[in-house]
Amino acid sequence: DSGVTQTPKHLITATGQRVTLRCSPRSGDLSVYWYQQSLDQGLQFLIQYYNGEERAKGNILERFSAQQFPDLHSELNLSSLELGDSALYFCASSASVGFNEQFFGPGTRLTVL
Amino acid sequence: GDSVTQMEGPVTLSEEAFLTINCTYTATGYPSLFWYVQYPGEGLQLLLKATKADDKGSNKGFEATYRKETTSFHLEKGSVQVSDSAVYFCALPLPYNTDKLIFGTGTRLQVFP
Repeated sequence: DSGVTQTPKHLITATGQRVTLRCSPRSGDLSVYWYQQSLDQGLQFLIQYYNGEERAKGNILERFSAQQFPDLHSELNLSSLELGDSALYFCASSASVGFNEQFFGPGTRLTVL
Repeated sequence: GDSVTQMEGPVTLSEEAFLTINCTYTATGYPSLFWYVQYPGEGLQLLLKATKADDKGSNKGFEATYRKETTSFHLEKGSVQVSDSAVYFCALPLPYNTDKLIFGTGTRLQVFP
């Protein structure tokens, strides 16, 4: 158990819908990362937050957004969903910035029908 | 640009066989290098890391040596077990010394008794 929790474990929804994925980092970790794992794209970095502020952006679509709240949990919002958004979404956390080990949650499996 | 290339899987071995999973990278400078493992139904876990040239990372019987001359970080284990069956990812921070990780495509290892 990494100490990172993600909810829900599974999500099934329809095209055009909007969903919110939630992540609670390990106790004391200030950085949160979101990754997408799909069969065709592999594992890709989406976005990083540090202590409530966006720190780095990767291959995140404009239809996707994220935020980190004062209690350090984070949410990833996916809107206008398409079939191709079906994937495993991982959250990871680390103590700080400047490369520390990232601890991964168990993931949320999103299926868009 | 910076990238990671892993050998394609699946790699199928009998218990107690020797394992090598190749990983080569292209990077600016000399970043830290990582191997992550993903067991079925779980998130990624850091398996081992090396932070500079000629460093050897090791954990749970797995080893990998940071080879600057060949830009490689091959994962090895002398005697695999059925419980080692998982997907293994080579990764490095991108760009050099940031918090973002880029991952190889992953190599599935299947170990049979």
